[in-house]
Amino acid sequence: EAQVTQNPRYLITVTGKKLTVTCSQNMNHEYMSWYRQDPGLGLRQIYYSMNVEVTDKGDVPEGYKVSRKEKRNFPLILESPSPNQTSLYFCASSPQGVNYGYTFGSGTRLTVV
Amino acid sequence: DQQVKQNSPSLSVQEGRISILNCDYTNSMFDYFLWYKKYPAEGPTFLISISSIKDKNEDGRFTVFLNKSAKHLSLHIVPSQPGDSAVYFCAASGPWVTFGKGTLLTVNP
Repeated sequence: EAQVTQNPRYLITVTGKKLTVTCSQNMNHEYMSWYRQDPGLGLRQIYYSMNVEVTDKGDVPEGYKVSRKEKRNFPLILESPSPNQTSLYFCASSPQGVNYGYTFGSGTRLTVV
Repeated sequence: DQQVKQNSPSLSVQEGRISILNCDYTNSMFDYFLWYKKYPAEGPTFLISISSIKDKNEDGRFTVFLNKSAKHLSLHIVPSQPGDSAVYFCAASGPWVTFGKGTLLTVNP
């Protein structure tokens, strides 16, 4: 089944403790992206990657890192999480470009206390 | 500055009637527009898109209209079904993607 898989689905952590949210897609898509969804703010792009080893900042990159060492994986790293990063995170992928429509993962609900 | 706006946070319609979801944008450089549907506890799913060189695209019960001069697009769902109840996001791309804040559609039986 073609899908984007994020892990974990739920995570509660403490301020300052480094964490990684994994994202993997099995559709051989070039384009991958991370979004966060917050009440009243919709979906905001954190980082995106147009291909292996090519990443760029989205609208809200502060406090996040990403890497794209292989085509299928695009992990999101929070080096020192803070409470304002409590949010619902979505990974998404698309063939060639975003005009083809994203396939989204099921989401990761992160709480930083 | 919000480049993609969905001014109605919610919309309620009766089953069988038409649902019209609206979206306005400010950046004339956007060249593609997309609609996504999101159910609770799931990721958004791609619904339908339209290129900026077209003014209409239809897929079954879903039709998207684009009015470039007004920088406005709309999604029509006919007939509406209770399973259509979800949050609908409008998105614009060119080359980055910007999403609206979403409209919660409730279709009442």
